[in-house]
Amino acid sequence: DSGVTQTPKHLITATGQRVTLRCSPRSGDLSVYWYQQSLDQGLQFLIQYYNGEERAKGNILERFSAQQFPDLHSELNLSSLELGDSALYFCASSEGTSGGYVQYFGPGTRLTVT
Amino acid sequence: ELKVEQNPLFLSMQEGKNYTIYCNYSTTSDRLYWYRQDPGKSLESLFVLLSNGAVKQEGRLMASLDTKARLSTLHITAAVHDLSATYFCAGYRDNYGQNFVFGPGTRLSVLP
Repeated sequence: DSGVTQTPKHLITATGQRVTLRCSPRSGDLSVYWYQQSLDQGLQFLIQYYNGEERAKGNILERFSAQQFPDLHSELNLSSLELGDSALYFCASSEGTSGGYVQYFGPGTRLTVT
Repeated sequence: ELKVEQNPLFLSMQEGKNYTIYCNYSTTSDRLYWYRQDPGKSLESLFVLLSNGAVKQEGRLMASLDTKARLSTLHITAAVHDLSATYFCAGYRDNYGQNFVFGPGTRLSVLP
């Protein structure tokens, strides 16, 4: 158990809908990262937050947004969902934001868009 | 644009043998990560390599980084079945659009 929790574990929704994925980092970790894993696109980095501020951004679509709250949990919002958004979404946390900090991954949320 | 390649993509090896997974990247990477993913599971961080010549070892796995060659290697010594997994490397460029870029993964099967 990495100490990172993600909810829900599974999510099935229809095209055009909006969903929110939640991540709670390990105690003491200030950074949260979001990743998408699909068969088509492999593993992709979406976005990173550090202590409430956006720190780095990857290929995150405009339909997607994220935030990190004062209690350091993070939410990833996916809107106007398309079939191609079906994927595993992982979050990870680390103590810091630069250098050799180990990332600890949550179990993932499997999103299925029908 | 940072691109990351791995080879081989599939590797089947016998227990007790040694092998190396290669990770090439296209342009400067500020650091290099290795991850492991078991089937149906999440990812596990293995190594973070920060500078040229960096070498890190954990058990039967050893990772190294050659920034001049833009190459990282993950060496497996005396493989055991428990090492069967998919291994990903990822490059990172600070203050760059696509900060983390993952390779396609190497699926390793260690056979008895």
